[in-house]
Amino acid sequence: DADVTQTPRNRITKTGKRIMLECSQTKGHDRMYWYRQDPGLGLRLIYYSFDVKDINKGEISDGYSVSRQAQAKFSLSLESAIPNQTALYFCATSDLHEAFFGQGTRLTVV
Amino acid sequence: DAKTTQPPSMDCAEGRAANLPCNHSTISGNEYVYWYRQIHSQGPQYIIHGLKNNETNEMASLIITEDRKSSTLILPHATLRDTAVYYCIVRVVFKAAGNKLTFGGGTRVLVKP
Repeated sequence: DADVTQTPRNRITKTGKRIMLECSQTKGHDRMYWYRQDPGLGLRLIYYSFDVKDINKGEISDGYSVSRQAQAKFSLSLESAIPNQTALYFCATSDLHEAFFGQGTRLTVV
Repeated sequence: DAKTTQPPSMDCAEGRAANLPCNHSTISGNEYVYWYRQIHSQGPQYIIHGLKNNETNEMASLIITEDRKSSTLILPHATLRDTAVYYCIVRVVFKAAGNKLTFGGGTRVLVKP
């Protein structure tokens, strides 16, 4: 099994719809992250969490929210999706030095 | 975290060593150098990291200059599966900071037969 599992892997949704992307990890790390990647660019941090009671905004948090349901689970929500949120989304977990990424969710907002 | 500069692309012959440069001239004394790679649109993969000393693992070697203003990632025997975008990242490491990564444009490496 993968260290970090993201669901769904692909999703097409309509403008204005609420959508949730889910992430679970088996590494046992406290730290989890959500990143977004646009074509041809590097990843940008949306939100991060250092433990179940801790949520922090990243570089581009507007239009997104997160929930840390357990040490192993960290979900990302788009309350009202818009087309410019079309992107590849990655969840990650990390220890002090090494980050482990999921395979990504390709989200298209039409 | 210090900014890094990498060439946008480079080609490498299969079986040869690939040397990927990274400039981080504003690096602070407590900042580490990390390398990740992203194959196609998969999740980034950790390769190696270092502070001052050269480091080697099963994937690659990291050579950091004595003044720490630049580094080189070496893939000793590049294979076609090493074709990827390689990211050099510099960051401070302390527990409260987590492992937030700032990705630049990276170097797109194409390994040719």
